[in-house]
Amino acid sequence: EAGVAQSPRYKIIEKRQSVAFWCNPISGHATLYWYQQILGQGPKLLIQFQNNGVVDDSQLPKDRFSAERLKGVDSTLKIQPAKLEDSAVYLCASSFVELGGYTFGSGTRLTVV
Amino acid sequence: KQEVTQIPAALSVPEGENLVLNCSFTDSAIYNLQWFRQDPGKGLTSLLLIQSSQREQTSGRLNASLDKSSGRSTLYIAASQPGDSATYLCAVSTQNRDDKIIFGKGTRLHILP
Repeated sequence: EAGVAQSPRYKIIEKRQSVAFWCNPISGHATLYWYQQILGQGPKLLIQFQNNGVVDDSQLPKDRFSAERLKGVDSTLKIQPAKLEDSAVYLCASSFVELGGYTFGSGTRLTVV
Repeated sequence: KQEVTQIPAALSVPEGENLVLNCSFTDSAIYNLQWFRQDPGKGLTSLLLIQSSQREQTSGRLNASLDKSSGRSTLYIAASQPGDSATYLCAVSTQNRDDKIIFGKGTRLHILP
């Protein structure tokens, strides 16, 4: 079974620039999550999708972050404009609710300078 | 509000020792609990998944226990090896249909050769 794919692996941008991350979940997994992990902390949920609908985006900074999951498969997370404090690893995960458990991608390490 | 705490934050032990990592959660109404491993700059690798009805799960040298009523889980690592050095994260899934997962901050483990 292929895992959760994420790209790019690394990204360095200047503050106020825009950036986008891509995630392809495990085939058949209806639920997709984006997490932000700041150095030394546990991952924090940004947004959760069930198929192509948003279940929870309460911790997403909507003034600068946006996410979509067209057709209920791939998802993109965008930051515009980026701030220094957005430097973090952005993790995508998917799950099959009936079985439980979550599979994470390798993450995208974002550095804002 | 569910909160997950991991103790200790960091741990260094000589190679070959058995060790225990602790995880506690404030709301015992969980769906499952999952232990992950994270290497520096990398994504999360699932180690063990314990359903709320289970008491423990084992995989090789790893054993995870769950005491839902007291809000505690432990990860036992037998005969530690330098390759076990990583950050270990505990995450709980909520009881509700939205199956959101909440992470602890992790325990940074260093096995001394």
